[in-house]
Amino acid sequence: NAGVTQTPKFRILKIGQSMTLQCTQDMNHNYMYWYRQDPGMGLKLIYYSVGAGITDKGEVPNGYNVSRSTTEDFPLRLELAAPSQTSVYFCASRGKGQPYISPLHFGNGTRLTVT
Amino acid sequence: ELKVEQNPLFLSMQEGKNYTIYCNYSTTSDRLYWYRQDPGKSLESLFVLLSNGAVKQEGRLMASLDTKARLSTLHITAAVHDLSATYFCAVDKNTGNQFYFGTGTSLTVIP
Repeated sequence: NAGVTQTPKFRILKIGQSMTLQCTQDMNHNYMYWYRQDPGMGLKLIYYSVGAGITDKGEVPNGYNVSRSTTEDFPLRLELAAPSQTSVYFCASRGKGQPYISPLHFGNGTRLTVT
Repeated sequence: ELKVEQNPLFLSMQEGKNYTIYCNYSTTSDRLYWYRQDPGKSLESLFVLLSNGAVKQEGRLMASLDTKARLSTLHITAAVHDLSATYFCAVDKNTGNQFYFGTGTSLTVIP
């Protein structure tokens, strides 16, 4: 059981480039989330999804887009990368049925540098 | 805007000592979560607190929740070096959809 899998682990982008961070989970979780963590800081919610076809903005959505075409996958798209998007990105999911008592399960993160 | 604040932000303590990390939050919620993050690693769930007065213990860590005061504590008993990590508390709104994290407490246990 792989849990939450993120790819790539590391990426360097030039300013203005675009990329997609991949996230897939094999636990049949309805709820999925994208967070960013800046050095020495807490996690900020970018986007979340409560099920396939449903997404919503979190605290810091500007500069990002998401889609949720399947239960398993929740990719995060960066358009026109900026240095302010240099961060570690975490994808997470939580179980269906009883979302109110389920903690988040995290992937291992993607370390992104924009230069 | 929901705010989750932890203090202290940094904590250096000697092995064998006790200490408490505090987590205050600004929204109505009956659920609070504690996570641990080792340097360069992902986050690992420690505790899920589901109601006022809830108390959970695992080894040298004990977490409690006071929903009326909007306060959770993580108490460390007789610290050991292996507890060195960053600890985060997190709150989800009563809708259950959004998780908000505190700023984290970086704990260093000195031999």
